[in-house]
Amino acid sequence: DSGVTQTPKHLITATGQRVTLRCSPRSGDLSVYWYQQSLDQGLQFLIHYYNGEERAKGNILERFSAQQFPDLHSELNLSSLELGDSALYFCASSVGVGLSDSPLHFGNGTRLTVT
Amino acid sequence: ELKVEQNPLFLSMQEGKNYTIYCNYSTTSDRLYWYRQDPGKSLESLFVLLSNGAVKQEGRLMASLDTKARLSTLHITAAVHDLSATYFCAVDMGGSQGNLIFGKGTKLSVKP
Repeated sequence: DSGVTQTPKHLITATGQRVTLRCSPRSGDLSVYWYQQSLDQGLQFLIHYYNGEERAKGNILERFSAQQFPDLHSELNLSSLELGDSALYFCASSVGVGLSDSPLHFGNGTRLTVT
Repeated sequence: ELKVEQNPLFLSMQEGKNYTIYCNYSTTSDRLYWYRQDPGKSLESLFVLLSNGAVKQEGRLMASLDTKARLSTLHITAAVHDLSATYFCAVDMGGSQGNLIFGKGTKLSVKP
C-alpha cells in the first residue's frame, strides 16, 4: 500500500458530463501529481501541485482542471467528457517540490469509462 | 521536449532465461526510475537511479544508468513467472517541475 488514496475506483458516465476525481496524498507529502494512462497514449503527465500551488502542467486539456486544497488533498475535474477521455487516472505524491531521492508514490487509480 | 523510449515493447521469455530491457532518453537527466505495473493495478517503484554509473539490484532484477549515453537498462536474470508484468522507465524532468516522463512500457510475459 503506497499510502496514496484515490476515489472512486471506478466511474462510468456519459459523454458531455462532468466528473471529479479525488486524491489524498501520503501523510507528509506536499506534492500531488496527476497522470492519465490510456492504451494509445501511455502514461501522460497532466499536472503537478505543491502545497496548494500549481507547479507544472503537462498534456492537460482545457476541459480538465485541478486544485489542491489546504488539507493537501487534490481533485481533478473533467468536464464535457468525450469517449476518448476513458482512461485510468493516477494520482501520485512526493514529499517536496522536486523528486529528490524518492520515487513518486502512486495511488490505485480511478478507471473512468465514458459511454 | 524530453522523449523516453523503451525497447522492446513486448517481451516473451521462457523461465530461466536472461534478458535486458533498454530505456533511452533524449535530454540530460541524472535521475531515472523503474516501475512495475500488474494488469489493472497501480505502479510499484522498483529502482531509483540518481547518478551516472548507478547500479541497483533486487532479486532477479538489476538496473543501471549511464547518463552520458542517456541509457538505462533493466536486466532480468533467470526469469520466473512472477516477473510477468509491464515495466516502465521514467525520467525526471528536473528542477522544480518534479514530474516524471514515462516510456511506453515493456510488457513482459514469462512462460514455463
